Formats: sequence, C-alpha cells, structure tokens
Amino acid sequence: SQTIHQWPATLVQPVGSPLSLECTVEGTSNPNLYWYRQAAGRGLQLLFYSVGIGQISSEVPQNLSASRPQDRQFILSSKKLLLSDSGFYLCAWSVEGLAGVGGEQFFGPGTRLTVL
Amino acid sequence: AQSVTQLGSHVSVSEGALVLLRCNYSSSVPPYLFWYVQYPNQGLQLLLKYTTGATLVKGINGFEAEFKKSETSFHLTKPSAHMSDAAEYFCAVSKGSQGNLIFGKGTKLSVKP
Repeated sequence: SQTIHQWPATLVQPVGSPLSLECTVEGTSNPNLYWYRQAAGRGLQLLFYSVGIGQISSEVPQNLSASRPQDRQFILSSKKLLLSDSGFYLCAWSVEGLAGVGGEQFFGPGTRLTVL
Repeated sequence: AQSVTQLGSHVSVSEGALVLLRCNYSSSVPPYLFWYVQYPNQGLQLLLKYTTGATLVKGINGFEAEFKKSETSFHLTKPSAHMSDAAEYFCAVSKGSQGNLIFGKGTKLSVKP
C-alpha cells in the first residue's frame, strides 16, 4: 500500500532563516506531487506541483521554492523565511496520468511551521 | 475555469441530527468532485468522490453526496451526526488532466452533545 511521509511535524523558525521541508511517498512510482499551504481561515492554497523528476510548476509567486530530486521525494525550501510563511504545509500525491482515472489526491500528515 | 464555493464556514448540529454541508462548483468541463475531511493538525482524508455514473455517491463514515448538474451542487450529508464527525470539511473540483484540485475554503462542523 502507499504511504506518504512529511517531516518535521512541527517547526519554529526565526524570520530570515532558511527552510527545508521534506515529503516522501512509498509504494507507488511516477506520482504527481503537490505542496499546499493552509493558513488560518484561508483554506488550502496550492503552492507547487510536479509531474516528474526536476519538473516543477509554481502556482503562485512567493518566497518559496520546490524541488524533486528523486521520483518520490518532494522538497519545499526557502532561503529567508517571512512571518507570512507561517502555516500548515501539506504534501500530497496522485496517480500519474489522471485523465479518466479519478484524480483524487492523498495527503500527508502535514508540517506546522511557525515563523517568529 | 473551475471554482468551488462552500456555504457556511461554520456549521453546528446536535448529535443525532442531520448533517448538511453545502458545496457549489463552477466548471467549464464535466467535473470530478471530492469531499475531504480534516481533523485538527492532521492531513486531509478523502470521504468520497464523484467522477461519472451514479450521481449519489456513498463514502466513508456514513457520509454521502449527490451530484446535481442542474444546480451545480455537490452537497454532503449524513443522516445522524456523531461526536466524532466534528472536523473541517473541504469540497474540491478537479482542474485539468494533471488532476490539480481547486478547494473550497472549508466548513468547520461542530457536534453538540
């Protein structure tokens, strides 16, 4: 069966510090991968998605970047954190080639980031 | 373009009462529609989905939703609320062949004893 891991679970970082959040998926190959941010009262915002190694699409301009160095690894980074980067970050995966398949995404447990 | 509107950011029901969470969508193509549930400090869990076929979809934990094309709605219902149903619920519509999802802003369900 497939599983998705995120770490760390919680993180407190000062403004201006770097960030690296990691997401890995097990039990599937060539997944589509997604990073979302959930800020209080604002629902889920898609930040990045990837359909393959080294292929990253950004949904919104921001202080963050993403990378996919391996098929089942997705990393969210920042060089200098802002207060507004605080939130709950969720990684998700879906089966590749979704047309006609159903399209559901499967979410990880999330990382709570607080920037002080 | 796709969009999702969830009516009511907070809904409160008594234990044993009917749960009705509303979702309306906009889509330029036949939509795939989803309901997810999120418990505090956890990821999202799929409750149910509609792709094609039967418009009444049954999901986990006794929830169901009906796709009504004429009303562009996909409301989530459960006949009898349980305390464990207290959570936040998100409606989503698919966007494009890559399966990107557009989420509503969520509805927080409270269940009173």
